[in-house]
Amino acid sequence: GAVVSQHPSWVICKSGTSVKIECRSLDFQATTMFWYRQFPKQSLMLMATSNEGSKATYEQGVEKDKFLINHASLTLSTLTVTSAHPEDSSFYICSATGQGATDTQYFGPGTRLTVL
Amino acid sequence: GNSVTQMEGPVTLSEEAFLTINCTYTATGYPSLFWYVQYPGEGLQLLLKATKADDKGSNKGFEATYRKETTSFHLEKGSVQVSDSAVYFCALRGSRNQFYFGTGTSLTVIP
Repeated sequence: GAVVSQHPSWVICKSGTSVKIECRSLDFQATTMFWYRQFPKQSLMLMATSNEGSKATYEQGVEKDKFLINHASLTLSTLTVTSAHPEDSSFYICSATGQGATDTQYFGPGTRLTVL
Repeated sequence: GNSVTQMEGPVTLSEEAFLTINCTYTATGYPSLFWYVQYPGEGLQLLLKATKADDKGSNKGFEATYRKETTSFHLEKGSVQVSDSAVYFCALRGSRNQFYFGTGTSLTVIP
């Protein structure tokens, strides 16, 4: 099946710094990528939807200036957490849909972010 | 708006027991419904799906039927195995192809 990778798998950073998380579709072209955030023992919460070559669509309540999303190619999307604070510590998961298969999302393994 | 309510866990069963994980949804229109599974240390994987009322999704012995009248999509398996131990997520797909997930149900199957 389709494979989505994320890098890094975990990251620890100091408060005030920025962190970039990469999401790649390895064996298919991802026309749309989604970014989720998951708190312990809670559901995945959709943060934003990004289509290749266009601006991301953010869900209500998600700060677009804090969570910068770039989808520069059909195989890569990045999420940058700017000026990170401890409350941004979470598990971030990306997913992707491919051309002609928009009803199935393929998920990455997630990135654990810890902000000190 | 769209939302998914899922049976809370954790659930612990003996091998070969019957499994039911309840899932109900709220949505505008008739969304596609999904069950995803997350094995330890791995990403979410599609388990099964149903795209319209009365459809039954099935895979690996798991089944779920799209019930419009009760807005439900309960997951069932007749005889669980240790290898089924994982976290199961119910989800619906919205009009912009975005997914809404339940909180997940952790299943542990003991020999």
